[in-house]
Amino acid sequence: QKEVEQDPGPLSVPEGAIVSLNCTYSNSAFQYFMWYRQYSRKGPELLMYTYSSGNKEDGRFTAQVDKSSKYISLFIRDSQPSDSATYLCAMSVIFGGTSYGKLTFGQGTILTVHP
Amino acid sequence: NAGVTQTPKFQVLKTGQSMTLQCAQDMNHNSMYWYRQDPGMGLRLIYYSASEGTTDKGEVPNGYNVSRLNKREFSLRLESAAPSQTSVYFCASSERENYGYTFGSGTRLTIV
Repeated sequence: QKEVEQDPGPLSVPEGAIVSLNCTYSNSAFQYFMWYRQYSRKGPELLMYTYSSGNKEDGRFTAQVDKSSKYISLFIRDSQPSDSATYLCAMSVIFGGTSYGKLTFGQGTILTVHP
Repeated sequence: NAGVTQTPKFQVLKTGQSMTLQCAQDMNHNSMYWYRQDPGMGLRLIYYSASEGTTDKGEVPNGYNVSRLNKREFSLRLESAAPSQTSVYFCASSERENYGYTFGSGTRLTIV
């Protein structure tokens, strides 16, 4: 079983829809959670970063973390065609152990927003 | 603002050939990483360097070697390329552990 599971999709929605992207994880030591956006033939770029349970909002994007359920989500409101990309969740452990500082990525969800 | 620069962007190799992928960052970051991205597998860590002078294996290090030449540069070497190493390779850097990464634009490598 992978440490981080993400539904690869693909997910296709009409412009203006609310999009929900999700990841589950098995390692309770994960404390830092991130979402990356990757356009076709480009490197991933950091979208959102959080280290606590609850919600964090940035414009049309909301990141949600539920540590008790080991579940994180990214919501996109009023989705636009320019949001079409692959979205990757990523997480890392806090200090201690041999794996700290290194991110573990989900597989990525391919999102298409059509006009 | 260049960020993370990877060279080359594309490369085709024959089985058994060797090559070095170059990566340089201009953000004065301490940590650097090499990932490979394959369909259905996501991003997998090959090697990382937490700070200048140190390197460590990641999830899939077999068949690769790395060199942290200085704080800016981190290279990945394939000594004897195999078709299983056909992939897109990404270099990344971060200010310190647990911070978000800045990725390069990738090297698309095909081994025939």
